[in-house]
Amino acid sequence: EVQLVESGGGLVQPGGSLRLSCVVSGDTFSRFWMSWVRQAPGKGLESVAKIKPDGSEKFYVDSVRGRFTIIKDNAKSSLYLQMNDLRAEDTAVYYCATEDWWRHDHWGQGILVTVSS
Amino acid sequence: QSALTQPPSASGSPGQSVTISCTGTSNDVGGYNYVSWYQHHPGKAPKLIIYEANRRPSGVPDRFSGSKSDNTASLTVSGLQIDDEADYYCTSHAGGNNLVVFGGGTKLTVL
Repeated sequence: EVQLVESGGGLVQPGGSLRLSCVVSGDTFSRFWMSWVRQAPGKGLESVAKIKPDGSEKFYVDSVRGRFTIIKDNAKSSLYLQMNDLRAEDTAVYYCATEDWWRHDHWGQGILVTVSS
Repeated sequence: QSALTQPPSASGSPGQSVTISCTGTSNDVGGYNYVSWYQHHPGKAPKLIIYEANRRPSGVPDRFSGSKSDNTASLTVSGLQIDDEADYYCTSHAGGNNLVVFGGGTKLTVL
């Protein structure tokens, strides 16, 4: 069974940075496309970023491009989301998920990021 | 990429069936067969219940079924159970930046 565990969330001031981590176990991490999906309070789910299995290609939603970086470390079976210049509208629960042919088969439990002064 | 359109709410009694729609355009739902549905109980991880419009992952009961016609996909939940009460989201491949586009979500209430 594939398991994903996120960490690194918390409270950060506007303009600050945070790095989310997601450790994956139970299958060969290097074969997975991986994604970050978020849910703002009272809102629906939104794709944030996606990365190819070997890390060679990355895709971002327009609202985070240039501020967020998705990173995949196959040696550590870990996915990261480096978030810079955070804004109040980035406040959300962030989920990491495996992705295969535009479907998310496995999800983490989510980690809360709050951007507030 | 615009969000897919779902009704904000749906409801049914135990044992009944309910259908949730997901409307997009020819650039997403109508253009690809990569439509998925997720069940999300608040505070828990979302769960994939339908992929490629009408396929069920292993372990998902056949009470859940999906279909697609033109720009609209649908999720039908038959034999409603109390535990089916959750938020349901559709997604679709939409070309463009290679990210899936989500629907706004439908809160299913089992009365």
